[in-house]
Amino acid sequence: AQTVTQSQPEMSVQEAETVTLSCTYDTSESDYYLFWYKQPPSRQMILVIRQEAYKQQNATENRFSVNFQKAAKSFSLKISDSQLGDAAMYFCAYRQTRGGSQGNLIFGKGTKLSVKP
Amino acid sequence: DTAVSQTPKYLVTQMGNDKSIKCEQNLGHDTMYWYKQDSKKFLKIMFSYNNKELIINETVPNRFSPKSPDKAHLNLHINSLELGDSAVYFCASSLPGQLNSPLHFGNGTRLTVT
Repeated sequence: AQTVTQSQPEMSVQEAETVTLSCTYDTSESDYYLFWYKQPPSRQMILVIRQEAYKQQNATENRFSVNFQKAAKSFSLKISDSQLGDAAMYFCAYRQTRGGSQGNLIFGKGTKLSVKP
Repeated sequence: DTAVSQTPKYLVTQMGNDKSIKCEQNLGHDTMYWYKQDSKKFLKIMFSYNNKELIINETVPNRFSPKSPDKAHLNLHINSLELGDSAVYFCASSLPGQLNSPLHFGNGTRLTVT
């Protein structure tokens, strides 16, 4: 069964600086999809960025980028020029592509990011 | 223009009661989900429906019963509520077969059982 591990329960970054959140996963599949979601105190689940496993190029969305290392099964999120509004829980998620649970998102336990002014 | 809406936002009830949470999406998606987020913020799938048909049913007590009257709605009914049912429940939807497309989540329903 696939698993997703976020080894940093909490992280802190100074405003305007860069922070990297770690995520590793375990799978025997070769084709899959990875996502980062943000959950601010409002509880809303907001998509930050996505990555297709067959693409070698790392996904980028404005200040957010990923470092996708398929062989190492690593999918870290880099936030550049951190802003106060980036403070939230960040969840890494793996989307199942096969089997009875196809389409399901498997989440890591999350990393709580604090941004210091 | 809310995409995935859940009602109620908060639900406080006593043990033993029966309650329902409603979910509606206006994105035209065929697939809908229920996720449970526990007190440690861990999110886990409970159910998934595709075009009103149940396709994922994780190990969830029989007291939880999803109902999909049409592909835009997926409601969650919970019988005989227990203290351990206290959590945030999220509804989500997605396009079927397009696994690179994200799940769109509702804003969650915080259920508190006293």
